[in-house]
Amino acid sequence: GESVGLHLPTLSVQEGDNSIINCAYSNSASDYFIWYKQESGKGPQFIIDIRSNMDKRQGQRVTVLLNKTVKHLSLQIAATQPGDSAVYFCAEKLEVQGAQKLVFGQGTRLTINP
Amino acid sequence: NAGVTQTPKFQVLKTGQSMTLQCAQDMNHNSMYWYRQDPGMGLRLIYYSASEGTTDKGEVPNGYNVSRLNKREFSLRLESAAPSQTSVYFCASSERGGGALYEQYFGPGTRLTVT
Repeated sequence: GESVGLHLPTLSVQEGDNSIINCAYSNSASDYFIWYKQESGKGPQFIIDIRSNMDKRQGQRVTVLLNKTVKHLSLQIAATQPGDSAVYFCAEKLEVQGAQKLVFGQGTRLTINP
Repeated sequence: NAGVTQTPKFQVLKTGQSMTLQCAQDMNHNSMYWYRQDPGMGLRLIYYSASEGTTDKGEVPNGYNVSRLNKREFSLRLESAAPSQTSVYFCASSERGGGALYEQYFGPGTRLTVT
């Protein structure tokens, strides 16, 4: 079946460097994507979203890039801080019978080195 | 606002026991969801409720039942727990047209161990 997945399960970066977390999706009909951050022992927390009619969207220190040609999504975190350590999930939105269903990737664990 | 709350936070069951996980949201959202999260995996949808009075199966519904008690509350029941149901369970809610399009708000999770 179709699914959302991540290229790398772990990523280590130096504090202050930029981080890039990648995601591949297989449902070409997906029109909406979300990045979530999950800290240890907590539920996922929304970071940023993007519609399929956009290539790029920026938030505070984060940017999401969408390449529909190769069905690839990335999350860029600028000037990575210790508080950015977490598992990051991409998700694509499916709408079934009026309800929004999110299909999640496996997640990438981001570790910040001092 | 408390957002999405879940009880209990931790639970240990023996194989064959039953229990109900409780979830409540105070954001007046129409849609609610139950996910499970296993080590090294993303969240998988168990059941969802598009609106009060409706429930539907997600990706992994076997062994579970749900009840949308009212607009605020959505419970998940394990009738006869199995070790394969050891997992972390998350409840979420959403409303179209919120601060972010289609954002789901998650609770803190229930860590369930079945021995």
